[in-house]
Amino acid sequence: NAGVTQTPKFQVLKTGQSMTLQCAQDMNHEYMSWYRQDPGMGLRLIHYSVGAGITDQGEVPNGYNVSRSTTEDFPLRLLSAAPSQTSVYFCASISRAAAGELFFGEGSRLTVL
Amino acid sequence: GENVEQHPSTLSVQEGDSAVIKCTYSDSASNYFPWYKQELGKRPQLIIDIRSNVGEKKDQRIAVTLNKTAKHFSLHITETQPEDSAVYFCAARAGFQKLVFGTGTRLLVSP
Repeated sequence: NAGVTQTPKFQVLKTGQSMTLQCAQDMNHEYMSWYRQDPGMGLRLIHYSVGAGITDQGEVPNGYNVSRSTTEDFPLRLLSAAPSQTSVYFCASISRAAAGELFFGEGSRLTVL
Repeated sequence: GENVEQHPSTLSVQEGDSAVIKCTYSDSASNYFPWYKQELGKRPQLIIDIRSNVGEKKDQRIAVTLNKTAKHFSLHITETQPEDSAVYFCAARAGFQKLVFGTGTRLLVSP
């Protein structure tokens, strides 16, 4: 039982490049989400999903796309990276039945030059 | 939507002292209030949580209090130790909706 797995852990991009941050969970959790963490701003919700085929926007969705084709996977896509997207990204999941603790992945540090 | 404010942004205490971190929330429908601890370079980890039907919860040296009328909740750490040094985040959520975090408190415990 690996929990929430994110890849890659580190990535450097040039402005305008695209990439996908991968997130997978093996706990059969319905709810998955992506947060970005910036100094002094805490954790801000980018997108979330309450189940396969359902996604919605969080606080800071601009510049990011998501999809949820399976319960296990919730990739985050940057279509045209900008320096403002330099951040640490966390994927997290929660069980609807538990409706409690949010389980975080280890994080992905992204630098956009 | 929900808005969570957290204070102070930094807190320095001597080992053995108590530390208190305070949060306020805006959505009266919020009913779940967790606290996360994040060590440098690590993921946030849940340390304690409280639901709206409870006013206080303790777990060894940490406790959380909730005042629904005033819409604020607090984290109390007693007998602080150097390993308590970390960034602490409060959060609030209504039902199974999105969890909204505060901006974090950097706690430094000096030996």
